[in-house]
Amino acid sequence: AQSVTQPDIHITVSEGASLELRCNYSYGATPYLFWYVQSPGQGLQLLLKYFSGDTLVQGIKGFEAEFKRSQSSFNLRKPSVHWSDAAEYFCAVGVTNDYKLSFGAGTTVTVRA
Amino acid sequence: NAGVTQTPKFRVLKTGQSMTLLCAQDMNHEYMYWYRQDPGMGLRLIHYSVGEGTTAKGEVPDGYNVSRLKKQNFLLGLESAAPSQTSVYFCASSYFSGQRGPYYGYTFGSGTRLTVV
Repeated sequence: AQSVTQPDIHITVSEGASLELRCNYSYGATPYLFWYVQSPGQGLQLLLKYFSGDTLVQGIKGFEAEFKRSQSSFNLRKPSVHWSDAAEYFCAVGVTNDYKLSFGAGTTVTVRA
Repeated sequence: NAGVTQTPKFRVLKTGQSMTLLCAQDMNHEYMYWYRQDPGMGLRLIHYSVGEGTTAKGEVPDGYNVSRLKKQNFLLGLESAAPSQTSVYFCASSYFSGQRGPYYGYTFGSGTRLTVV
């Protein structure tokens, strides 16, 4: 079965600084990969997804993620964070011949002024 | 388009009480899911359905039952609530899109915050 690991529970970043959130997966083949964001008290919003093709994926709100097969990773990046990026971020994976997404434990991002 | 609607949004139960959470989608999606979200644990799948009249167990099914009598609705039941079921519950729906499987149109509801005292 597939699994997803987000090694960082909490990250604090200054406004205007760059952000990188790590995501590693365990699966024998290439999975489908996703990043979601959840603002406090809100539901989940899809930031970006990877199915195939170009390994650098652009998403909403200025986020991008890069799929690295050799490292089984799908890290999320943003060049310059805004205070509104303070939220919890979830990496998720889906696999062929299955029906459901599996989620990592999440990374909470705090943005300081 | 409402998308995925969850009812109720908040609820407080006493231990041993029962309740049903309703998830309704208006996108004609085939697949529906119930997840629970707990701090430090992400979202864990409780039950899911791949079509009307079908249900299947996820990672954490104990203490929950589900039904999918109509394609647009997926009900999650707690027969005898326990404090360990205090959580935020999310429903999601999706459809099969060829090579992208059921993941392309995965849509979440806004959640139900349940407290069991």
